[in-house]
Amino acid sequence: KAGVTQTPRYLIKTRGQQVTLSCSPISGHRSVSWYQQTPGQGLQFLFEYFSETQRNKGNFPGRFSGRQFSNSRSEMNVSTLELGDSALYLCASSGRTGNTIYFGEGSWLTVV
Amino acid sequence: GESVGLHLPTLSVQEGDNSIINCAYSNSASDYFIWYKQESGKGPQFIIDIRSNMDKRQGQRVTVLLNKTVKHLSLQIAATQPGDSAVYFCAEQNAGGTSYGKLTFGQGTILTVHP
Repeated sequence: KAGVTQTPRYLIKTRGQQVTLSCSPISGHRSVSWYQQTPGQGLQFLFEYFSETQRNKGNFPGRFSGRQFSNSRSEMNVSTLELGDSALYLCASSGRTGNTIYFGEGSWLTVV
Repeated sequence: GESVGLHLPTLSVQEGDNSIINCAYSNSASDYFIWYKQESGKGPQFIIDIRSNMDKRQGQRVTVLLNKTVKHLSLQIAATQPGDSAVYFCAEQNAGGTSYGKLTFGQGTILTVHP
């Protein structure tokens, strides 16, 4: 069974640009959540989607957004990139709340 | 913020020793707890989980202990191997509430195993 797949793995963007990251959850998992990991703040929750609906959102500005498709695949978008957005962005999936949450390998974003 | 400063605790052990990694969690409403291992350049890898109706759970070479009274979680690794070297995170969730998908992570502990 394939794990959580994230693309791209590495990318470099310029300040002010926008970026879209993609996540394919484990087959059968309908919950997809996103996290940002930085050395200074650690792992922080961005948002969670279930059946194409955002059910939960962390404390991030509106520049961070996401969506989920009918096949449970998810994308997150960051607009007007800032240097501080440089981070590892992790996607995780689970079958339902309270079930094990599995992470992908992440997308490394560098903003220059 | 909900987690992590700049300086992670470190634990250094010899190969074959037992390791104990500790974690204090913050939310008394949390009812689901997970330990993850993260190797350099990779995403967090699930190790073991425990629900609040249990105080101990064992896996292969790992044991998680939960003390709800003092809001403390520990991960014991038996016969630690060099391949166990990584950063270990505890995470908590209020699975019975509306914290859909939201895990709150601890700061992490760097485990180094010397051959």
